[in-house]
Amino acid sequence: SQQGEEDPQALSIQEGENATMNCSYKTSINNLQWYRQNSGRGLVHLILIRSNEREKHSGRLRVTLDTSKKSSSLLITASRAADTASYFCATGPSNYQLIWGAGTKLIIKP
Amino acid sequence: NAGVTQTPKFQVLKTGQSMTLQCAQDMNHNSMYWYRQDPGMGLRLIYYSASEGTTDKGEVPNGYNVSRLNKREFSLRLESAAPSQTSVYFCASSAQGDTEAFFGQGTRLTVV
Repeated sequence: SQQGEEDPQALSIQEGENATMNCSYKTSINNLQWYRQNSGRGLVHLILIRSNEREKHSGRLRVTLDTSKKSSSLLITASRAADTASYFCATGPSNYQLIWGAGTKLIIKP
Repeated sequence: NAGVTQTPKFQVLKTGQSMTLQCAQDMNHNSMYWYRQDPGMGLRLIYYSASEGTTDKGEVPNGYNVSRLNKREFSLRLESAAPSQTSVYFCASSAQGDTEAFFGQGTRLTVV
C-alpha cells in the first residue's frame, strides 16, 4: 500500500480562500516532501520538512509535521488560480526509498 | 540553466520494441532517479543512482535497465516493451539522498 496518502483526493475552492491538504504515512521517515504538478508537466518541489521539525513556511505555504500521528498538512493561504494543480507528498528514510501518495487535485475557482 | 532535460517527450512503441530514454542534468547533482507515473497513482521509483558509477533497483525495476553514463547523464532502457509499460516517465536529480529533487518534464510512452 502507499506510504504517503493524501487527503482529500480532490478539493475545489474559491480564489482567495485557504486550501488544506493532508498526508499520512506508515513507517519512520527522515523527511517529508511536498511537490506540485501542473497538468501534464513535471513535478516542482515545494517544501522539505525534516523529522525533527514541526512546522515550516515558504511564502504562502505552511507545512506541519506530526510524527506521533504520522501525518503532515500543507496549507496554501490566499489561493490563486495559478495554484490549480495536483499536490503530492513523498516520504521515506531517504530519497532512494521515497514513497509517493496518489495526490490531491486542487482546483481554484475564479 | 536548463535543470533536468529528458528526451523524447512522446514515444509510441510496438510490443517487443526497445528504446532508451535519455536524461541529463546540469546542476552537478550526485543522485539521479527514474520514476513512472500511472493514472491515479503516485510516482513509483524504477531505478536510482546515488552517485556516479552506482545504480540500484527501486520499487518497480522489472523490464528496465539503466546506465549512469557520467555525472550528468542517466538513461533508462526498455529492452522489450510491453503494454504494461505504458506510462509517463520522469527523471529527477538531487544533490544528495535527502535533499529536494528536481524533475524533468516527462516522457509520455505508449506501448501498443
